[in-house]
Amino acid sequence: AQTVTQSQPEMSVQEAETVTLSCTYDTSENNYYLFWYKQPPSRQMILVIRQEAYKQQNATENRFSVNFQKAAKSFSLKISDSQLGDTAMYFCAFVAVSNYQLIWGAGTKLIIKP
Amino acid sequence: NAGVMQNPRHLVRRRGQEARLRCSPVKGHSHVYWYRQLPEEGLKFMVYLQKENIIDESGMPKERFSAEFPKEGPSILRIQQVVRGDSAAYFCASSPRQGREDTQYFGPGTRLTVL
Repeated sequence: AQTVTQSQPEMSVQEAETVTLSCTYDTSENNYYLFWYKQPPSRQMILVIRQEAYKQQNATENRFSVNFQKAAKSFSLKISDSQLGDTAMYFCAFVAVSNYQLIWGAGTKLIIKP
Repeated sequence: NAGVMQNPRHLVRRRGQEARLRCSPVKGHSHVYWYRQLPEEGLKFMVYLQKENIIDESGMPKERFSAEFPKEGPSILRIQQVVRGDSAAYFCASSPRQGREDTQYFGPGTRLTVL
């Protein structure tokens, strides 16, 4: 069975600081995709960043970047220069190329303090 | 440039009533997925549909729940005789092809409250 684990239920940092959210996953698949989604208080689910497992280069989207360690099955999200608008639940998700069901972690509540 | 649209955003039902949740995918997307989110949890897959076909409903309860994606119109998730345990946020996502290489884009969700 494929699982996604987010070990940090809640984190808080000061505005402008850098924060890293952790995610580990378990799978026997070799080809898959990993995602970070953000869910602000509006409850909308917003894609933050995506990583293809076959790519060694870590994905980057502006202030958001990932540290993808395939052998360790680790996929952490780094938010640089954090902003108040980054306050949200962050979910790590996995989908195997052979499938389509997104497997989700339980989420990390991130609070950015002014 | 409309994304995935879901309505209603909030739905209140009494036990035993029916709930109908609608999802209009991104224009041009022919694959729709429904997920359920219980409080303080991640999303759980329910069903995957293409136009007029249910591809995988393995995550959907066998009774009271059904889904469709007709040739014309939105996808519908229907819950008959709702119970309090059905209270959750229901998210719809769409992709242009099966989600192997395509990111699933999510709607804003429908929050169902069963009294």
